[in-house]
Amino acid sequence: EVQVVESGGGLVQPGGSLRLSCAASRFTFSDYYVDWVRQAPGEGLEWVGRIRDRAHSYTTEYAASVKGRFTVSSDDSRSSLYLHMNSLKPEDTALYYCVRNFRGASGRYYMDVWGKGTTVTVSS
Amino acid sequence: DIHLTQSPSFLSASVGDRVTIACRASQGVSSYLAWFQQKPGKAPKLLIYDASTMEGGVPSRFSGSGSGTEFTLTISSLQPEDFATYYCQQLNSYPLTFGGGTKVEIK
Repeated sequence: EVQVVESGGGLVQPGGSLRLSCAASRFTFSDYYVDWVRQAPGEGLEWVGRIRDRAHSYTTEYAASVKGRFTVSSDDSRSSLYLHMNSLKPEDTALYYCVRNFRGASGRYYMDVWGKGTTVTVSS
Repeated sequence: DIHLTQSPSFLSASVGDRVTIACRASQGVSSYLAWFQQKPGKAPKLLIYDASTMEGGVPSRFSGSGSGTEFTLTISSLQPEDFATYYCQQLNSYPLTFGGGTKVEIK
């Protein structure tokens, strides 16, 4: 079964750093666009960032709320993808999902394979 | 940023009802719109993409329509397993954005 599995969440103090990992099962990250999406407790969905596939040079995009603090990277040798989070704020507290995309007929990339998420809590 | 407004934010319906959820974009997004279903404690599930294309395995009672700034998700005959929160998402431009969600509850 194709799936993604997130890990690395936990409790961190404001201003601290954390690295989330996403592992792929039965596919290779280098062939897909991948997004990070977060959901604060009791709230809706918020897109965090995207990394494109190898064919598009692993370029990235970020939400304004995390740009300059968060970085998405890919490690083909480990079939893993990471979300590096620095200068964390209490408002970053959320469940973080790693999501694989596929290319629709329109040429846009849509989120079809979601992990179960990993929880990040930023609090002193 | 493109803001998506879903309406209603909450609806109460009965099994067998026809349900329509609207999603309005603050500017045109062509047909680059997706719909997701999320049940409590679960990850979202893709239902519709490119505004009207059904994801594989999604029951045919779900359908999507619209383009530009006005979109709808329709459930033709609500089933017990459809009670959930539904989100639209635009992929026309960055940042990608989601609507605020529509919670469908049992009447």
